[in-house]
Formats: sequence, structure tokens, C-alpha cells
Amino acid sequence: DSGVTQTPKHLITATGQRVTLRCSPRSGDLSVYWYQQSLDQGLQFLIQYYNGEERAKGNILERFSAQQFPDLHSELNLSSLELGDSALYFCASSVTTSNEQFFGPGTRLTVL
Amino acid sequence: DQQVKQNSPSLSVQEGRISILNCDYTNSMFDYFLWYKKYPAEGPTFLISISSIKDKNEDGRFTVFLNKSAKHLSLHIVPSQPGDSAVYFCAASVRYKLSFGAGTTVTVRA
Repeated sequence: DSGVTQTPKHLITATGQRVTLRCSPRSGDLSVYWYQQSLDQGLQFLIQYYNGEERAKGNILERFSAQQFPDLHSELNLSSLELGDSALYFCASSVTTSNEQFFGPGTRLTVL
Repeated sequence: DQQVKQNSPSLSVQEGRISILNCDYTNSMFDYFLWYKKYPAEGPTFLISISSIKDKNEDGRFTVFLNKSAKHLSLHIVPSQPGDSAVYFCAASVRYKLSFGAGTTVTVRA
């Protein structure tokens, strides 16, 4: 158990809908990262927050947004969902900005 | 565009033998390389890493080799154990942004 929790574990929704994925980092970790893993692909970095501020951005679509709250939990919002958004979404955390990140178990999103 | 590639989707090895996992990258700006291990229904777990200024790093049964001129990274596991059966992801970083390969599934046979 990495100490990073993600909810929900599974999410099934329809095209055009909006969903929110939630992540609670390890106790004491200030950085939160979001990744997307599509079928047979590696994890793609989406975005990083550090202590409530956006720190780095990857290939995140404009339909996606994230935030980190004062209690350091983070949410990833996905809107106008398309079939291609079906993927595993991982959250990771670290004390500071680091390459060695601790990953949650992921949220599997299925868009029908 | 996949900047990190793991060309072998799977590897089967006998218990006690060496497992060699390979990874190629294209971005010469990568300054840090890592291997993560993943079991089903869990997130990836950090295994071992190497800075771009080194060519080898060892941690117990795990050794990572970096060949910068060839843009090639490998992970050696000696000896392989049944608990090593998992998906292994190679990752490379530039300014803490990680790019991952698609993973290699390792099966250790008894």
C-alpha cells in the first residue's frame, strides 16, 4: 500500500458527460501528479500540483482540468467525455517535486 | 509520439535465472531514468533509478545499465524469483516530467 488513495475505483459513464476523479496523497506529500494510461500504452503525464499551485503540465486536453485543495487532496475533472478518454487514471504523490513518485491504485474510466 | 519504448511486451524466465528488460528512448534531454514495477489492481511502485551521469546502478538483485550513446536502458534481475512476476515500466524524466514506456510483463516460471 503506497498510502495514496484514489476514488472511485471504477467509473462507467456516457459520451458527453463530466466526471471527477479524486486523489488523496500520502501524508506529508505536497506534490500530486496525474497520469493517463490508455490501452497498451505507457502512462502519460497530465499535470502536477505542488502545495495548491500548478507546477507542470503535460499533454492534458483542454476538456480536462485539475486542482489541489488546501488539505492537499486533488481532483481531476474530465468533461465532454469521448470514447477515447476510456483509460486508467493514476494519481501519484511525493514530498517535493521528485522523479520517485508514489502511485495510487488508479481509477478505471469507461466511456460508453 | 512515444519517447520511451519497451519493444518486448512480455518476457518469460525460469526461477533463479537472469531477467533482462530493455528500454530505448529518443529524447536526449532526459536526465533521469527509472524502473517501476506494477502488480494487477495496484499502482506502479518505484524500483530503481539512475542519473544520466552514471552508467550503472545496483540495488540488491536489481541492476540498471544506461548507455547514453545508444539511448538504451536495461534492467537486470538476478536471480529471478516468483514474486518478480509483474509488469515493469521504464520511465525517463526531464525536469521531473516522467515519460513511461508501455511496459513488459515478466513471468517467472518455477
